[in-house]
Formats: sequence, structure tokens, C-alpha cells
Amino acid sequence: GNSVTQMEGPVTLSEEAFLTINCTYTATGYPSLFWYVQYPGEGLQLLLKATKADDKGSNKGFEATYRKETTSFHLEKGSVQVSDSAVYFCALPAGGGSEKLVFGKGTKLTVNP
Amino acid sequence: NAGVMQNPRHLVRRRGQEARLRCSPMKGHSHVYWYRQLPEEGLKFMVYLQKENIIDESGMPKERFSAEFPKEGPSILRIQQVVRGDSAAYFCASSQQGANEKLFFGSGTQLSVL
Repeated sequence: GNSVTQMEGPVTLSEEAFLTINCTYTATGYPSLFWYVQYPGEGLQLLLKATKADDKGSNKGFEATYRKETTSFHLEKGSVQVSDSAVYFCALPAGGGSEKLVFGKGTKLTVNP
Repeated sequence: NAGVMQNPRHLVRRRGQEARLRCSPMKGHSHVYWYRQLPEEGLKFMVYLQKENIIDESGMPKERFSAEFPKEGPSILRIQQVVRGDSAAYFCASSQQGANEKLFFGSGTQLSVL
């Protein structure tokens, strides 16, 4: 089935720093790709998605581009804020006719003032 | 417009007891997923259900764990004879059309086994 490998954390940045969280995938075909975010004490929520190659998903200043050449979907933000502190998960459908999502291990981001 | 509702938020059980976790999906959603999150690990898929049917239970331990999503009422994840290793956060998610669409997650149930 499909799988995802995500940059391990934790990541600690100062406010207004540039953020990159790496995510690479292995998949049959070109499934949709997702980034989910989990704020402390909460469930996951969808941050952004891309449905086909070269698509760019964006939301709240975050961006990720679906790159089939490098099988990557790296998450970026030009200037992080303290409120961005959370755990970020890369995900994709498991494939093989399955309807489940497969998640990376998560990357914990802490942004200091 | 309530989101995915999970209860209880925290559940404490002693070894050997039963744990029942409830999940009410978003209105209009017929796909329900249960995931488990262990400390320092990602989310692990457990089971996928549609109304009255278990579609994929490939992530469920073979013993002690069961899930249902009846025609009426919430989805239930049931863990019998809990052990310390069952301590984790259990998340429920729902969607309208399956995994290629957006999943909406509940806030989770934190199960602690003493």
C-alpha cells in the first residue's frame, strides 16, 4: 500500500522564521495528498490538500506543492507565529481500494516569541 | 452545526475492565474511522465503518477490540479486559465520501489504564 515518510521533530523556531517540514511518499498512481495539524489538546484538522501533480495547496500562510518527480509534499511557511505551534501530519490514502488515510509520525513545531 | 463529537474526553479504567468510547459523526456523514495515537507515535488506523457495516478492520487487534456503527446512534469502540498498553488517545473521524475527501476529527478520548 501507499506510505509516507515525514521529517522527525521536534522543530523549534523563533517567530517570523521560515518553516519547512519534509514529507515524501510512496504511492501507486497519484492519490490526493494532505497536511493535517493538531493543536494541543485537540483532534486533527485539515490544513491543506493537493489532488494532482503540480497542484499547490495553501491555507493560513502554509503551502505545499505536489511534486511527482521527487515524490514529495513538503510543508512551508514564510513567517511562523507562536500560534502555529502544533503537531503537523502528512497523509495520503492507503490505496489498494482501501478508504483509510495513512499518516506520517508527525512533526512537533514549537515557535518561540 | 456540531462537529464530530467524542465522549468521554477522558476515561480511566483499571486493568481487566471494559472501555466504551463513543463517536457521533458530523451530520450527513456516513463514513466513520477510528484511529489510535500512542505517545511519540503517529496515528494508527484501526477500523473503518459505514452505517451498520464494518468495511475495513485491518488495524484492529484480533482480540478484545470491537467496533460498531448502528443504524441509529453513535459509533462505539469497545475494548474488553483493558491492559496498560491500551492507554492512548483514540480519535474518531468522519467524512461524507471516504478517504479522498476531507476527514473531520473529534477531539479524542484519552484512555488511561491503571
